Amino acid sequence: DGGITQSPKYLFRKEGQNVTLSCEQNLNHDAMYWYRQDPGQGLRLIYYSQIVNDFQKGDIAEGYSVSREKKESFPLTVTSAQKNPTAFYLCASSIVVGTDSNQPQHFGDGTRLSIL
Amino acid sequence: QKEVEQNSGPLSVPEGAIASLNCTYSDRGSQSFFWYRQYSGKSPELIMSIYSNGDKEDGRFTAQLNKASQYVSLLIRDSQPSDSATYLCAVGFSGTASKLTFGTGTRLQVTL
Repeated sequence: DGGITQSPKYLFRKEGQNVTLSCEQNLNHDAMYWYRQDPGQGLRLIYYSQIVNDFQKGDIAEGYSVSREKKESFPLTVTSAQKNPTAFYLCASSIVVGTDSNQPQHFGDGTRLSIL
Repeated sequence: QKEVEQNSGPLSVPEGAIASLNCTYSDRGSQSFFWYRQYSGKSPELIMSIYSNGDKEDGRFTAQLNKASQYVSLLIRDSQPSDSATYLCAVGFSGTASKLTFGTGTRLQVTL
């Protein structure tokens, strides 16, 4: 079945440690996104990518990094510079139609990150 | 500042009633509007897309869009306890390529 796979489902980070969250999609979507969701809050965009080897910062990119070496994959690294990383991380993807036509995004099951 | 506003709720409706969820947005030029349902502890699930003024129906769900007044609403007919969730409104603002801006969501409780 086509979909978006995020792993791991739960992740624990030690102080000073970088951790990487995986996101893979087999929907043949061009665009991929990373969001952070805190309890009782909406989704905040961390990074997004509309094409391989290109990505842009979202609203809260500080302390995070990404890569887009393959169309199917968009891993997110939470660096030690992110002082409050505990949150629910959601990866999404969408098709891209033209330059100004926003398409629906489809989400993976998410990764819950906590600090040890 | 491109914003999407939703009442956080909770909105409580009895089983079988119509639930009405509202969303306002800041950019009159916006073209794409989406409703997502998010159960507690789960990821958002797309339930409706709407691009033109008027109503769009899909089963028990109806999305209503009024671009002149800059609001989009979601009606859920014959509400069921399984509809209890947080409903997120998402807007594709003009000039933002493929990005969506999400509201903080309205929590719906359907009571027996």
